[in-house]
Amino acid sequence: QKEVEQDPGPLSVPEGAIVSLNCTYSNSAFQYFMWYRQYSRKGPELLMYTYSSGNKEDGRFTAQVDKSSKYISLFIRDSQPSDSATYLCAWGGDTGANSKLTFGKGITLSVRP
Amino acid sequence: GAGVSQTPSNKVTEKGKYVELRCDPISGHTALYWYRQSLGQGPEFLIYFQGTGAADDSGLPNDRFFAVRPEGSVSTLKIQRTERGDSAVYLCASSLTWVGQGADEQFFGPGTRLTVL
Repeated sequence: QKEVEQDPGPLSVPEGAIVSLNCTYSNSAFQYFMWYRQYSRKGPELLMYTYSSGNKEDGRFTAQVDKSSKYISLFIRDSQPSDSATYLCAWGGDTGANSKLTFGKGITLSVRP
Repeated sequence: GAGVSQTPSNKVTEKGKYVELRCDPISGHTALYWYRQSLGQGPEFLIYFQGTGAADDSGLPNDRFFAVRPEGSVSTLKIQRTERGDSAVYLCASSLTWVGQGADEQFFGPGTRLTVL
C-alpha cells in the first residue's frame, strides 16, 4: 500500500463552486498535514498547515484532518479561476513542516469562468 | 527578499553525460532540501542539509546522485552518467530552521527541468 493516496483528477468546476479535495495516508508517524498549491512551471507553495484533527479555516480554504481515519481534505469555497492549479497533500514527520515531506500525486483543478 | 532560485531553469543533456543543478536558498535559511518531481507525480524527497552537512540522504536513488553544500548556503546536485529515467523537475526548498528546531515552512524554488535524451 502506498503511504499516500490522493483522489485522481483532473477536476473541472464552474466559478463559484465548492471544491473538495481528499487524501488518505497509511503511515501513523505522520504528524503534520499540509496542502500545497502548484501553478504550472512553478514550485509548490504552502497553502494550509495543521497538526491536529479537526478543521482549520483560512479565508475561502478549510483543511480538515481525521487522524483516526487517516484522512485529510481541503475545501475551497466560492472557487475562482485563479484557483486553477495542482493541489498536493503532504505530510511531515514528528518534527514539523520543516522535516522531509511526503507528497501525494496531486490533483489538477480547473475553475471555469 | 528574493525567494529560492534555481539554475538552470531547463537542462537538456544526452544519456551518459554529467550534469550539475544549482540552488540558491533564501538568505539566512539553514536547512536546504532537494526533491524530484516526475511528470504527473508529487515531489519525492532526495536529500536535506543542516548547514553544510547532509543530515538525511535516504532519498537519493543511487550512487550516481550526489549533492554538496560546502559553505552552508548554495547547494549543487550532481548527477553522473545520466539516464533517460532521470528526466524530471528537480526542486529545491529551504527553511529557516532544521528538524527539531520548530515548525518552519519550506519555501520551494521554481525547479530545474532536466531532460535526458
